[in-house]
Amino acid sequence: DGGITQSPKYLFRKEGQNVTLSCEQNLNHDAMYWYRQDPGQGLRLIYYSQIVNDFQKGDIAEGYSVSREKKESFPLTVTSAQKNPTAFYLCASNYQRAISDGYTFGSGTRLTVV
Amino acid sequence: AQTVTQSQPEMSVQEAETVTLSCTYDTSESDYYLFWYKQPPSRQMILVIRQEAYKQQNATENRFSVNFQKAAKSFSLKISDSQLGDAAMYFCAYSLGRGTYKYIFGTGTRLKVLA
Repeated sequence: DGGITQSPKYLFRKEGQNVTLSCEQNLNHDAMYWYRQDPGQGLRLIYYSQIVNDFQKGDIAEGYSVSREKKESFPLTVTSAQKNPTAFYLCASNYQRAISDGYTFGSGTRLTVV
Repeated sequence: AQTVTQSQPEMSVQEAETVTLSCTYDTSESDYYLFWYKQPPSRQMILVIRQEAYKQQNATENRFSVNFQKAAKSFSLKISDSQLGDAAMYFCAYSLGRGTYKYIFGTGTRLKVLA
């Protein structure tokens, strides 16, 4: 079945460490997105990519980095520069020529700083 | 800048009753899309219903319907015959019909369904 796989489901990070969250889709979607979810703040866009080898910053990109070397994959690295990384992270994808279809979301990664 | 506002942090409804969740948005564009997503305790986001701004007819999906008022920039979700499985966070989202196609989300409304 087609879908988006995020891993790991839970991730713990020590202060000063970089960690990478995985996002893989087999839907042949061209666009992929990373959102951060905090209580009371909804979903905020971190980075997005409309095509391989290209990506743009969202509203809260500081302290994060991404790559898009393959159409199927859009990993997110949370760097030590991100001062408050504890949050729930959601990856999404869609066909840009079918906007009305909406996003397909992964099941999310819960990141906790210990 | 486009914004999406959900003014009800939490709502409750009795099982089998009807509830309406509010959403307003701010945009100067005429071509855009609106969505309601459901996030149950599993945290998996599920698309509930969608509306294209150029369509005047309100979208309906089984027990879920919207009241789309374009001039007022309002997009409320009505859930009829509420079921226990409807308990979740509900997010309203907006997307331009061109360009980056990124979505802007509201802060969500937590819906409790009382047995």
